[in-house]
Amino acid sequence: SQTIHQWPATLVQPVGSPLSLECTVEGTSNPNLYWYRQAAGRGLQLLFYSVGIGQISSEVPQNLSASRPQDRQFILSSKKLLLSDSGFYLCAWSSGTWETQYFGPGTRLLVL
Amino acid sequence: GENVEQHPSTLSVQEGDSAVIKCTYSDSASNYFPWYKQELGKGPQLIIDIRSNVGEKKDQRIAVTLNKTAKHFSLHITETQPEDSAVYFCAVAGTALIFGKGTTLSVSS
Repeated sequence: SQTIHQWPATLVQPVGSPLSLECTVEGTSNPNLYWYRQAAGRGLQLLFYSVGIGQISSEVPQNLSASRPQDRQFILSSKKLLLSDSGFYLCAWSSGTWETQYFGPGTRLLVL
Repeated sequence: GENVEQHPSTLSVQEGDSAVIKCTYSDSASNYFPWYKQELGKGPQLIIDIRSNVGEKKDQRIAVTLNKTAKHFSLHITETQPEDSAVYFCAVAGTALIFGKGTTLSVSS
């Protein structure tokens, strides 16, 4: 069966510090991968998605970037965090574009 | 682009009652409609989905109905239990997967 991992689970970072969040998927090949941010309350905002190694599409302009160095690895990064980057970051995968997406456990980021 | 409206934003019911959450969408070409449940501090989990060639689908106490003509679909939870308390998201897939803003369901015993 397929599983998706995210780490760390929780992160507290000072403003201006760098960020690296990692997501890995097991049990499937060539998945579509997604990064979402969820602000306090609800609302899933799609940040990036990838259909293959090195292929990244950005949905919104922001202080973040994404990379896919391996087939089942997706990384969310920032060079300098802003207060507004605080939130709950979710990674998801799907077997086809815009088909059923399966979410990871999330990373809660607090920027102080 | 696709627009998804989800109602209500909050819903409180007594244990054993039914709960209904409705979503409307704008793109008639949309063909896949999943529902997710998100418990506090966790990622959303798929609970049921329906495709455009089906009008209704059931899985134990959960059902989803789809009206393609009216462009709306609904989640029905019967015999609610306290563990059903969570945030529920609808989503619509066509050229992209668009999520509703969520419904916070509270089931009191």
